[in-house]
Amino acid sequence: DTEVTQTPKHLVMGMTNKKSLKCEQHMGHRAMYWYKQKAKKPPELMFVYSYEKLSINESVPSRFSPECPNSSLLNLHLHALQPEDSALYLCASSRIAGNEQFFGPGTRLTVL
Amino acid sequence: AQSVTQLGSHVSVSEGALVLLRCNYSSSVPPYLFWYVQYPNQGLQLLLKYTSAATLVKGINGFEAEFKKSETSFHLTKPSAHMSDAAEYFCAVSPTDSWGKLQFGAGTQVVVTP
Repeated sequence: DTEVTQTPKHLVMGMTNKKSLKCEQHMGHRAMYWYKQKAKKPPELMFVYSYEKLSINESVPSRFSPECPNSSLLNLHLHALQPEDSALYLCASSRIAGNEQFFGPGTRLTVL
Repeated sequence: AQSVTQLGSHVSVSEGALVLLRCNYSSSVPPYLFWYVQYPNQGLQLLLKYTSAATLVKGINGFEAEFKKSETSFHLTKPSAHMSDAAEYFCAVSPTDSWGKLQFGAGTQVVVTP
């Protein structure tokens, strides 16, 4: 298995909702990442997990809460989001932090 | 801090013509360098990488890039453009002092005309 999967593909949520994004890889990678990408812009790093521990948080608002239950899974819990949080959320993984990253197809999030 | 600059936000090429996308990095120590491609409504796909081995790197889909330390450049080329090459291309640097922080360029949109 050489891919990163993300669910759901699309998500529409209200500002008071709680939802979660899920990312999975079975390549034995020990680093996993969350990115946010706005239209016509490059991805912006949000979080990095290395060996299931949070190693980088790019000053992301607390309404985004990452979780790494095991080495194959990465979740992003969403609560009380704002319309400006609407974006494509990309998950990536790499063998270890610093190696080439492999990206999932993303979750298109719309906050109403 | 290391950064990467892509020259040209839009490039238009004719089918069959050379594709040249420019990328320059700023770093006192040669970092790891990558080129990614993103098709509409999809994630990023790794085209190729430079990790201090050969300076001429071959990637997928006929693309290659040459690392030039003297010019701090890592330009991407393809001898003959295909319609399927129309996409957004990102150059990225992995700083040696902050593993995991992939720094992306602004991206170059490639349009291929018949």
